[in-house]
Amino acid sequence: GENVEQHPSTLSVQEGDSAVIKCTYSDSASNYFPWYKQELGKGPQLIIDIRSNVGEKKDQRIAVTLNKTAKHFSLHITETQPEDSAVYFCAANPFSARQLTFGSGTQLTVLP
Amino acid sequence: ETGVTQTPRHLVMGMTNKKSLKCEQHLGHNAMYWYKQSAKKPLELMFVYSLEERVENNSVPSRFSPECPNSSHLFLHLHTLQPEDSALYLCASSHEMMSSYEQYFGPGTRLTVT
Repeated sequence: GENVEQHPSTLSVQEGDSAVIKCTYSDSASNYFPWYKQELGKGPQLIIDIRSNVGEKKDQRIAVTLNKTAKHFSLHITETQPEDSAVYFCAANPFSARQLTFGSGTQLTVLP
Repeated sequence: ETGVTQTPRHLVMGMTNKKSLKCEQHLGHNAMYWYKQSAKKPLELMFVYSLEERVENNSVPSRFSPECPNSSHLFLHLHTLQPEDSALYLCASSHEMMSSYEQYFGPGTRLTVT
């Protein structure tokens, strides 16, 4: 089955700086890679995703990059703001499978 | 009300109790999921229902019993739980006919077993 590893487990940045979270996956058949943000007391919220036919996707201050050869993908947040503080999860799954395999999460803290 | 809702938001139960968690989705989706989220662990998929039929059960103990009466509602019936079952239980939904498996989560039920 798929195995997803996520690093770092905690990350602190100054407001305005960039944050990068990295994930690796094991199953070369995986082709869907979503990122979720979970704020305290809430469920995970899908913030961006990427499919294996593209290498990069951007949505305002967030971007995701995918390197299929190396089997890793990353979340980039630019111009961080205090409201970006949350736990971020990456996930992967083969297109035909229903099961998302999640990383263990990154606690991001943006310091004012 | 929009999105995925879950009730109750918090639940404390003894090991001999029987309780149920409820999930409702208002997104027109046809697949629903139960996940368990424990501290410092990745989300664990427990059950998947597609078109109201259970399609996956990831070796979950029988003290957890799911029910999906229609595509909008999902229940998780709990009985004789153990303290290690204390966790955040998340419900999610998706539309399997679309070309992706984007899952949308509810806020979760924080369960404490005493």
